Amino acid sequence: AQRVTQPEKLLSVFKGAPVELKCNYSYSGSPELFWYVQYSRQRLQLLLRHISRESIKGFTADLNKGETSFHLKKPFAQEEDSAMYYCALSGGYQKVTFGTGTKLQVIP
Amino acid sequence: DAGVIQSPRHEVTEMGQEVTLRCKPISGHNSLFWYRQTMMRGLELLIYFNNNVPIDDSGMPEDRFSAKMPNASFSTLKIQPSEPRDSAVYFCASGGRTTYGYTFGSGTRLTVV
Repeated sequence: AQRVTQPEKLLSVFKGAPVELKCNYSYSGSPELFWYVQYSRQRLQLLLRHISRESIKGFTADLNKGETSFHLKKPFAQEEDSAMYYCALSGGYQKVTFGTGTKLQVIP
Repeated sequence: DAGVIQSPRHEVTEMGQEVTLRCKPISGHNSLFWYRQTMMRGLELLIYFNNNVPIDDSGMPEDRFSAKMPNASFSTLKIQPSEPRDSAVYFCASGGRTTYGYTFGSGTRLTVV
């Protein structure tokens, strides 16, 4: 079975502070991991994927197979980062499992 | 590419009525997913198709829900009869190679009164 855990429902940080959104996963094979972002009342958008090792809007995420984690980080939060963030795992048959999401609130 | 297209954007219906939600995936994508999003439960996978074949429908809440994908460019999610607790935003997403992630539609906001 594949499972994604996002332990924090809400994360509030001040503008300029570092951000870390936690994601842990459970999967027996080699997973594909993603972060999606959903701004207020909009569609989910792919933010980044672990395989590309990219930085998008200042966010990065490193896959740690030992800790089965894929935490999302940004050194300096901006107000426009306020949104819901979903960690997702893709396993066999392209099935995608999402975590329950973390609402990031950046306080001016 | 217009992306994943869902219709309608908003649907308000009375309890007991049949509701049909529609999705047009991105051309060339071979997987399609239906999700339901609510404040209480977050994002739930209802069903997904691969090459038009339903692979996993274990997330479909009840027999009142059914989904079809008659061809690679169209899918429907039907609720019959609808109930107030079905009120949610329903998202459709499609994908090709898993490493590229998935593209979501704008969602259908369903309100059952």
